[in-house]
Amino acid sequence: GNSVTQMEGPVTLSEEAFLTINCTYTATGYPSLFWYVQYPGEGLQLLLKATKADDKGSNKGFEATYRKETTSFHLEKGSVQVSDSAVYFCALDGRGAQKLVFGQGTRLTINP
Amino acid sequence: GAGVSQSPSNKVTEKGKDVELRCDPISGHTALYWYRQSLGQGLEFLIYFQGNSAPDKSGLPSDRFSAERTGGSVSTLTIQRTQQEDSAVYLCASSWAAAGGSYNEQFFGPGTRLTVL
Repeated sequence: GNSVTQMEGPVTLSEEAFLTINCTYTATGYPSLFWYVQYPGEGLQLLLKATKADDKGSNKGFEATYRKETTSFHLEKGSVQVSDSAVYFCALDGRGAQKLVFGQGTRLTINP
Repeated sequence: GAGVSQSPSNKVTEKGKDVELRCDPISGHTALYWYRQSLGQGLEFLIYFQGNSAPDKSGLPSDRFSAERTGGSVSTLTIQRTQQEDSAVYLCASSWAAAGGSYNEQFFGPGTRLTVL
C-alpha cells in the first residue's frame, strides 16, 4: 500500500538557518504529493503541492520538488523565521484514492 | 466564507460511554473526510464521503466506529463504548467534488480532542 516516511523530529534551528525536512514515499502509480503545516493552536493547512514528476511546489519561501527517481519530496527553505515554528506533514494522494496518506510529522522550532 | 467547523472542540468521556463528533464542511463541498491524529499512530484516514454515501470506510478501526452524513452537508462520527485507545484528535476535512484521477484541496477543521478516561 501507499506510505510516507518523514524525517524524525523534533528539529530545532536558529533564525535564518537553512531548513531541510526529508520525505520519501512508496506508492503505486503516480501520486500527488503535499506538505501540510500545523501552526500552534491551528488546523492543518496546505503549504504546497506537486502533482507530477519534476514539478516544484512553492509557498511562503518553502520549496519541494517531486523526484520520481528517488521517490522523494524534501521540504526546503533558505532562511527560516521564528514564525515558521510548527509541525510539518508530508502526504500523498494516490490517484483516485480520494484520501491523504500522511507521514508521522516533524515538529520544527525556530529560536530567535 | 466560513471554514470547516467541528464540535465540540474538546470532549472528555468515561470508558464505555458513547460519543458523537460533528463536522460542518465548507458550503458547497461535496466530499468530506474524517482523520484521526494520535501520538502513537500519527495522522490516519478513517472514512470518506461523496455526498451522503461513503465509498471508502476502510480506515474505521472497529465496528464501534460509524459515521453518517445527511443532506450532503453535516457529518457525525460516532464512537460507541469508547476505549482509552480512542483518545486522539479527530479531524474533519472537506473538498470540492472528488473525481477519480484528480485532486481537489482538502480544507481541514480545527479538530475535536477526545480524551477517554
